[in-house]
Amino acid sequence: EAGVVQSPRYKIIEKKQPVAFWCNPISGHNTLYWYLQNLGQGPELLIRYENEEAVDDSQLPKDRFSAERLKGVDSTLKIQPAELGDSAVYLCASSPDNTDTQYFGPGTRLTVL
Amino acid sequence: GENVEQHPSTLSVQEGDSAVIKCTYSDSASNYFPWYKQELGKRPQLIIDIRSNVGEKKDQRIAVTLNKTAKHFSLHITETQPEDSAVYFCAASYSGGGADGLTFGKGTHLIIQP
Repeated sequence: EAGVVQSPRYKIIEKKQPVAFWCNPISGHNTLYWYLQNLGQGPELLIRYENEEAVDDSQLPKDRFSAERLKGVDSTLKIQPAELGDSAVYLCASSPDNTDTQYFGPGTRLTVL
Repeated sequence: GENVEQHPSTLSVQEGDSAVIKCTYSDSASNYFPWYKQELGKRPQLIIDIRSNVGEKKDQRIAVTLNKTAKHFSLHITETQPEDSAVYFCAASYSGGGADGLTFGKGTHLIIQP
């Protein structure tokens, strides 16, 4: 079984530019999460989807961050415009129905110059 | 919201000795407590988890204990090996059949000295 897939793995942009990250969860996993991991810290939840519905986006900075999961499978996280403080690893995770276990992808390392 | 504190931030042990990492949580409604291992540049990987209806769980050299009254849980690794060197994160969430987002501790960098 393939794991959670994320792309790109690395992204370098200049501040004020837009950037997008893509996540493909494990097949059949209806719950999808985006987390932000700063250097030396634990992941922090940004948004949780149940199928195509964002059921918890309370930690998503909505002035510059947006996310979508249009068909309830793949998801895209976007930042526009990016700021220096957005440099971090963006992790995607997925979970099967009626379980607690979350499986993480390899992450996208964003560097904003 | 939930707050998870994790100690120590760095732990160095001799190969073959035991390692213990401790976490406390603030929300008494939390009922799911996983532990993740993350090697440098890699994804977090689940190594063990425990739910609030259980006080202890063991998987080979790894065990987790939970004290709901005190709101703390601990990871125990026995007979440590060089490949155990990594950053370990504890986490907590409320699970009502589906999986809420996890609140993570800040991590413990475990160093196994040969």
